Amino acid sequence: DAGITQSPRHKVTETGTPVTLRCHQTENHRYMYWYRQDPGHGLRLIHYSYGVKDTDKGEVSDGYSVSRSKTEDFLLTLESATSSQTSVYFCAIRAGGNSYEQYFGPGTRLTVT
Amino acid sequence: GQQLNQSPQSMFIQEGEDVSMNCTSSSIFNTWLWYKQDPGEGPVLLIALYKAGELTSNGRLTAQFGITRKDSFLNISASIPSDVGIYFCAGQNSGNTPLVFGKGTRLSVIA
Repeated sequence: DAGITQSPRHKVTETGTPVTLRCHQTENHRYMYWYRQDPGHGLRLIHYSYGVKDTDKGEVSDGYSVSRSKTEDFLLTLESATSSQTSVYFCAIRAGGNSYEQYFGPGTRLTVT
Repeated sequence: GQQLNQSPQSMFIQEGEDVSMNCTSSSIFNTWLWYKQDPGEGPVLLIALYKAGELTSNGRLTAQFGITRKDSFLNISASIPSDVGIYFCAGQNSGNTPLVFGKGTRLSVIA
């Protein structure tokens, strides 16, 4: 257990509404990641963070923004949700030191109607 | 961007059979990771590989870091029903670049 929680775990929202997903970790890891998972596409990186206020884009960042004001929290925001953003969203942390091992949270299932 | 080709995409096997899956890339990787995902849950790390040629076991699972550094293999021996799930490979090649993930192998076990 890497001490990662995600909230909410499930959410249904309407097209055009803003949505924020939260990832919280308890072990002070520097690197945090947001992925989306869709059938046929595997895990695709949205954004990641390498420290407080330090973030970078992944391969599918359009329509998403992130913020990291504290080490333990990494927020993913959909400014104006679209049906194409219906997906399962996973947060992950990277283990410390020279390890590249990532550990995943339980996921948030988001449905945009 | 970089891609990992994971095969097979899916497989159906009888309980007790051995399973092999692999991941290949056109690029060199310095780290290979194998994950398993159960339905409705996040991926769980099974095995991490850090050296070319390395062979590492975790119970009935054995993974190898290919000698060319462009591929990795995962074997499951004597499969059981709880082996059902999606298996992902992931690679990392330099500095602090994010992991690259394969699209997964979906394993079904017939009792």
